[in-house]
Amino acid sequence: NAGVTQTPKFQVLKTGQSMTLQCAQDMNHNSMYWYRQDPGMGLRLIYYSASEGTTDKGEVPNGYNVSRLNKREFSLRLESAAPSQTSVYFCASTTGQAVVYGYTFGSGTRLTVV
Amino acid sequence: AQRVTQPEKLLSVFKGAPVELKCNYSYSGSPELFWYVQYSRQRLQLLLRHISRESIKGFTADLNKGETSFHLKKPFAQEEDSAMYYCALSGTAGNKLTFGGGTRVLVKP
Repeated sequence: NAGVTQTPKFQVLKTGQSMTLQCAQDMNHNSMYWYRQDPGMGLRLIYYSASEGTTDKGEVPNGYNVSRLNKREFSLRLESAAPSQTSVYFCASTTGQAVVYGYTFGSGTRLTVV
Repeated sequence: AQRVTQPEKLLSVFKGAPVELKCNYSYSGSPELFWYVQYSRQRLQLLLRHISRESIKGFTADLNKGETSFHLKKPFAQEEDSAMYYCALSGTAGNKLTFGGGTRVLVKP
């Protein structure tokens, strides 16, 4: 009964380094999302995948790329990390009826870029 | 564009006192509104949805389309209600949720 699993839980990067945040869900959900959480700004959508094979930009996509590898997995890549990308990153998923069932969130990845 | 505003960053109340978290939204269509909660060291979870008109853990929220608000209320706060609360709106394709900035609730004994 894992739900949404994110790895890693913590990461420290140097400016300019790259990394990929992994997300996997085992609920057969169609839609998956990446948000970043910053104090006072709530959660802001980076990218989302409404269904397998599609990805779209959210509110703050600059500096990020995503891959919907299959129905279960949705990864977020930082090609050249910047201090402004220091944040907590959350992955979420939902069925085609988010209005009814809401989102299921992962436990988050705390990323620090120095 | 859709926007969610939570004007209070922090609410501090005593146990047993009422608590109200304000949420205002901006959306041109018919919105679907939610409250999510994040307890310490836990992941975000859905608290309630306006569509189901439910009461969860003593919390209720009423959608007021005239005032474009969806305030969260509880008549008697408990210490276990201490958490971060987010109001969220869904109104566009892709089931996307737009979140407010969050309100931290601290219930003192």
